[in-house]
Amino acid sequence: DSGVTQTPKHLITATGQRVTLRCSPRSGDLSVYWYQQSLDQGLQFLIHYYNGEERAKGNILERFSAQQFPDLHSELNLSSLELGDSALYFCASGSGTSPSTDTQYFGPGTRLTVL
Amino acid sequence: AQSVSQHNHHVILSEAASLELGCNYSYGGTVNLFWYVQYPGQHLQLLLKYFSGDPLVKGIKGFEAEFIKSKFSFNLRKPSVQWSDTAEYFCAAVRRSGYALNFGKGTSLLVTP
Repeated sequence: DSGVTQTPKHLITATGQRVTLRCSPRSGDLSVYWYQQSLDQGLQFLIHYYNGEERAKGNILERFSAQQFPDLHSELNLSSLELGDSALYFCASGSGTSPSTDTQYFGPGTRLTVL
Repeated sequence: AQSVSQHNHHVILSEAASLELGCNYSYGGTVNLFWYVQYPGQHLQLLLKYFSGDPLVKGIKGFEAEFIKSKFSFNLRKPSVQWSDTAEYFCAAVRRSGYALNFGKGTSLLVTP
């Protein structure tokens, strides 16, 4: 157990819908990173928050957004869902500010299926 | 484009065989390198990391990796694998000044008894 929790574990929804994925970091960690894992693209970085502030964006679509709340949990919002958004979504937490030195602790992931 | 390549997508070994998984990165400048492992049904976890210093780094569970700057490589090794090493292995790299870990597509290792 990494100490990072993600809910829900599985999510099945239809195209055009909106979903929210939730991540609670390890106690004391201020950074939250979001990743998307698909069969063809592998594990892709989406966005990084540190102590409530957005630090970096990766290959995140405009239909996707995220935030980190004062209690440090984070939510990833996916809207206008398409079939191609079906993937595993991971969050990771770390104690540092930079992914170049931060050891990231991964959650179990949320499997999103868009029908 | 910056990328991380893992040469073997699927590897099958017998117990006690030696393991080497290849990883190459295409980055200029100084990079930090990581190997993560995902056991069946479990979360991704860090095996080892290299930032600087001795290019041969040791990680958990008997794994080690060698950084060869001239070859842009960071190969993972284990002298003798066990059935419990069956997992997916991911190499990752990030520039020292970078903002995101880049992961390879992973290598699936199956160790047969």
